[in-house]
Amino acid sequence: GAVVSQHPSWVICKSGTSVKIECRSLDFQATTMFWYRQFPKQSLMLMATSNEGSKATYEQGVEKDKFLINHASLTLSTLTVTSAHPEDSSFYICSAHSLTGDEQFFGPGTRLTVL
Amino acid sequence: GNSVTQMEGPVTLSEEAFLTINCTYTATGYPSLFWYVQYPGEGLQLLLKATKADDKGSNKGFEATYRKETTSFHLEKGSVQVSDSAVYFCALTLTNAGKSTFGDGTTLTVKP
Repeated sequence: GAVVSQHPSWVICKSGTSVKIECRSLDFQATTMFWYRQFPKQSLMLMATSNEGSKATYEQGVEKDKFLINHASLTLSTLTVTSAHPEDSSFYICSAHSLTGDEQFFGPGTRLTVL
Repeated sequence: GNSVTQMEGPVTLSEEAFLTINCTYTATGYPSLFWYVQYPGEGLQLLLKATKADDKGSNKGFEATYRKETTSFHLEKGSVQVSDSAVYFCALTLTNAGKSTFGDGTTLTVKP
């Protein structure tokens, strides 16, 4: 089956620093990737839709200048949390939409802790 | 708009008990329906899916049938195991949009 990886799987950083999270589709091409945020014991909140070669589409209430998304190729999207603060601590999950079909394939998630 | 409503949890069952997790949806158009499972500290894994009315998705003993008339996609398993303990998410996707709408998740705990 299709595999999506995320790196790093966890990161701890100081307040004010920026953190980059990578999402890769390992054995398929994905023109569209999605970034989600999940708080403990809660559902996934869609943050943005990342389209290869174009600007990301952000959901209402998500600060695009704080959560920078770059979809540089058909297999890689990155999410950069700029000037991170403790309230940005969360579990970030990406998914990749296959070129054919309607299924999303999810990465294993990245646990971000901002001190 | 689109929405997914899941049975509230948590759900606690004894091993070998019958499981039902209810899921209903509202959607503009004809969505595909999914059940995902999330184990602690991990991402989501697709459990099963159905793409049109009356389709039955099945995997690892779990089943769900796409019921257009009742806009439902209830998850069932005849005999749960301790290893089934996880959070289960119902979701829909409109094929021309790609974005998924998720339910709030239902935590299942199976005790030996």
